[in-house]
Amino acid sequence: GENVEQHPSTLSVQEGDSAVIKCTYSDSASNYFPWYKQELGKRPQLIIDIRSNVGEKKDQRIAVTLNKTAKHFSLHITETQPEDSAVYFCAVTYPGNTPLVFGKGTRLSVIA
Amino acid sequence: KAGVTQTPRYLIKTRGQQVTLSCSPISGHRSVSWYQQTPGQGLQFLFEYFSETQRNKGNFPGRFSGRQFSNSRSEMNVSTLELGDSALYLCASSFNRVEVPYNEQFFGPGTRLTVL
Repeated sequence: GENVEQHPSTLSVQEGDSAVIKCTYSDSASNYFPWYKQELGKRPQLIIDIRSNVGEKKDQRIAVTLNKTAKHFSLHITETQPEDSAVYFCAVTYPGNTPLVFGKGTRLSVIA
Repeated sequence: KAGVTQTPRYLIKTRGQQVTLSCSPISGHRSVSWYQQTPGQGLQFLFEYFSETQRNKGNFPGRFSGRQFSNSRSEMNVSTLELGDSALYLCASSFNRVEVPYNEQFFGPGTRLTVL
């Protein structure tokens, strides 16, 4: 089955700096790559996703890049703010109503 | 639309007992998935129900079971509780449109289960 590795497990950045989280996956048939943000005590929420026919997608301060050849994708957060502090999860799935497989999460701390 | 709801929000049980958790999906969503979240393991997939049928199953023992009703509400049951079952149990619903092969999952707030 699919295996997703997420790094780093914890990340601390100064406010205003950029943060990058990377995930690698094993199944080349995977074609949907969402990122979820989970603030302390709250439910995970989708913040951005990318499909396999797209190499990059941007939404204001967040972006996701996908390298299908190398089987990895990354979340980029620019101009970080304290409210970006949360746990971020990447996930992967492939066609056929298959379940999402999540990475183990990255705890991002933005220091003011 | 109202979001995904889960009841109860907190549960304390002792080893050997059983527990039933409930999830009400967003209106119109037919797929409900369940996840176990623990600090070290992240989100681990338990099972998914679609139109009252279990469509996918993760690698959990048979003590973990679930079902879905005709109104798409879902329940999961854990029998013979063990200390290691202490976790946050999240359910997520999706619309599962056939023409869109990627389905955003909307999570509920979770049920925090503590096994003593």
